[in-house]
Amino acid sequence: AQSVTQPDIHITVSEGASLELRCNYSYGATPYLFWYVQSPGQGLQLLLKYFSGDTLVQGIKGFEAEFKRSQSSFNLRKPSVHWSDAAEYFCAVGPYNTDKLIFGTGTRLQVFP
Amino acid sequence: EPEVTQTPSHQVTQMGQEVILRCVPISNHLYFYWYRQILGQKVEFLVSFYNNEISEKSEIFDDQFSVERPDGSNFTLKIRSTKLEDSAMYFCASSAGSNYGYTFGSGTRLTVV
Repeated sequence: AQSVTQPDIHITVSEGASLELRCNYSYGATPYLFWYVQSPGQGLQLLLKYFSGDTLVQGIKGFEAEFKRSQSSFNLRKPSVHWSDAAEYFCAVGPYNTDKLIFGTGTRLQVFP
Repeated sequence: EPEVTQTPSHQVTQMGQEVILRCVPISNHLYFYWYRQILGQKVEFLVSFYNNEISEKSEIFDDQFSVERPDGSNFTLKIRSTKLEDSAMYFCASSAGSNYGYTFGSGTRLTVV
């Protein structure tokens, strides 16, 4: 069955530090891949998505993610974190033969000044 | 930027009561979805809707749940007889097609007491 794993439940970084959030998926074909961010009490905002083509995708708020087929990964990165980036981050997979998204359990990011 | 609008933002209901959660998807989108997130857990797919009928539903979406697009603009989720375990954040989403990604609303927090 398709699945998404976010190994890190909680990450704490200092403001200005670099960030990498991990996401691994299990799926037979190349899936559609997404990263969403959820601030407390808010909805899910799309940061970026990968469907095909260039494996390094740029998103909003200075985020980027790299699709690595050999590792079944789609890690999210940001070179310098801002305090406003504190939120919950969800990786999601959209299999090609269905239009539903499968979400990971999320990674809560805390940013210290 | 177009938004998916959900009302109410928070609803409290007594166990056994019927609730209707409302969503206004983006106007030119054709695919509509409901997801839910129980507190502290992952976001789970409930149902997808296209061309005025359910295209896919999860095991969670049992006979207590129904969806409707009553007037061409609203998209509703009805829970016929709420249970305590229905307490969750419910997200509506819409899409122009899976190649375009999904736009989520800010959610309705349902509390069943």
